[in-house]
Amino acid sequence: QQQVKQSPQSLIVQKGGISIINCAYENTAFDYFPWYQQFPGKGPALLIAIRPDVSEKKEGRFTISFNKSAKQFSLHIMDSQPGDSATYFCAASMVDSSYKLIFGSGTRLLVRP
Amino acid sequence: DVKVTQSSRYLVKRTGEKVFLECVQDMDHENMFWYRQDPGLGLRLIYFSYDVKMKEKGDIPEGYSVSREKKERFSLILESASTNQTSMYLCASLGRRAQYFGPGTRLTVL
Repeated sequence: QQQVKQSPQSLIVQKGGISIINCAYENTAFDYFPWYQQFPGKGPALLIAIRPDVSEKKEGRFTISFNKSAKQFSLHIMDSQPGDSATYFCAASMVDSSYKLIFGSGTRLLVRP
Repeated sequence: DVKVTQSSRYLVKRTGEKVFLECVQDMDHENMFWYRQDPGLGLRLIYFSYDVKMKEKGDIPEGYSVSREKKERFSLILESASTNQTSMYLCASLGRRAQYFGPGTRLTVL
């Protein structure tokens, strides 16, 4: 119930392509869904986040699509660049659990030049 | 911008030593968190604190303790370091709903 399942584990995309990472959850009490980007040797950095009352949120080349009925959300990186090569984590939290984040297992993205 | 700093980027300690990892945030946030990150296991919550002197166990608290004497500072303590505590340790601070992470401390226990 508390898990967030993330796929794929790794992803290779050509420069200019679209990177898509998917996450699924079970607990309908989750009400906040952030995505984090982590470069090697660094801490995760908040990339973009969404609440379940909207179906899509876009910030620059990064878009979250949210499907409440399917309990799924995904990150789309448009026009992927080699500088986007990093590990991406989805997460979920809810007010009742002291805002603790439940993280997905991570996706290692490699964008080839 | 939220700033979360951690006292050391790299640390090497010996088995049995007492280890202190410090985290400081500059945004007057109430909630702070300690995670460890290991390959294949993702980020796992060790402890969190929702106010000064208040703490709660996360998913893997065994072998660790924490201290929160001031709002901006949250310390993770390894009472007697063991080799299986070799890991990347990440501190985070909660602002509104988002958690903001520090750069991490890579701890090696020999």
